[in-house]
Amino acid sequence: EVQLVESGGGLVQPGGSLRLSCAASGFTFSSYWMSWVRQAPGKGLECVANIKSDGSAKYYVDSVKGRFTISRDNAKNSLYLQMNSLRADDTAVYYCVRGGSYLKDYWGQGTLVTVSS
Amino acid sequence: DVVMTQSPLSLPVTLGQPASISCRSSQSLVHSDGNTYLIWFQQRPGQSPRRLIYQVSNRDSGVPDRFSGSGSGTDFTLKISRVEAEDVGIYYCMQGTHWPETFGQGTKVEIK
Repeated sequence: EVQLVESGGGLVQPGGSLRLSCAASGFTFSSYWMSWVRQAPGKGLECVANIKSDGSAKYYVDSVKGRFTISRDNAKNSLYLQMNSLRADDTAVYYCVRGGSYLKDYWGQGTLVTVSS
Repeated sequence: DVVMTQSPLSLPVTLGQPASISCRSSQSLVHSDGNTYLIWFQQRPGQSPRRLIYQVSNRDSGVPDRFSGSGSGTDFTLKISRVEAEDVGIYYCMQGTHWPETFGQGTKVEIK
């Protein structure tokens, strides 16, 4: 059974940093693109970043370029999102998702990031 | 960025009756590889999104056959042949042909 379990969310002040993690199991992690998708409270969905199966290609939405970094450790079956210079509009539930643009077939339960003073 | 426009945004439906959601893109979603990367998701209240349909019309495993997807180019539709209580939630279309991937605003399906 495919499982994606996010962790690392919480309350952070504007300008602060946070690192999200996603532990994957039930599939060959190193064979899949992975994504982070976020959902602001009561709002729709936005794909933040994608990373290729071997980590050699990464794509970011413009609003997080230069501030967020997606990475992965295939030996640990883990996906990460380093978030720096956080702003109030980064407040959202962040989902770890299997697949890049074409797939997105399994989603984690999400972790809430709140940026507030 | 490709803009995805869903309609309606709210859809009250009687149990057992059909429902239809439209999703239009600002550019063609036909990829250079010939495929069309249009996905439909369902998000039930308090849950994570769940993929229902991929590449326009392919239903995911475990998705009831009352759900169907159709369309081409810039015009796509999700149909529910007979709405059941468990179908309540928000439905999103998403295009994966052009980066960045973009989602529709969501259509809230509720029971009358």
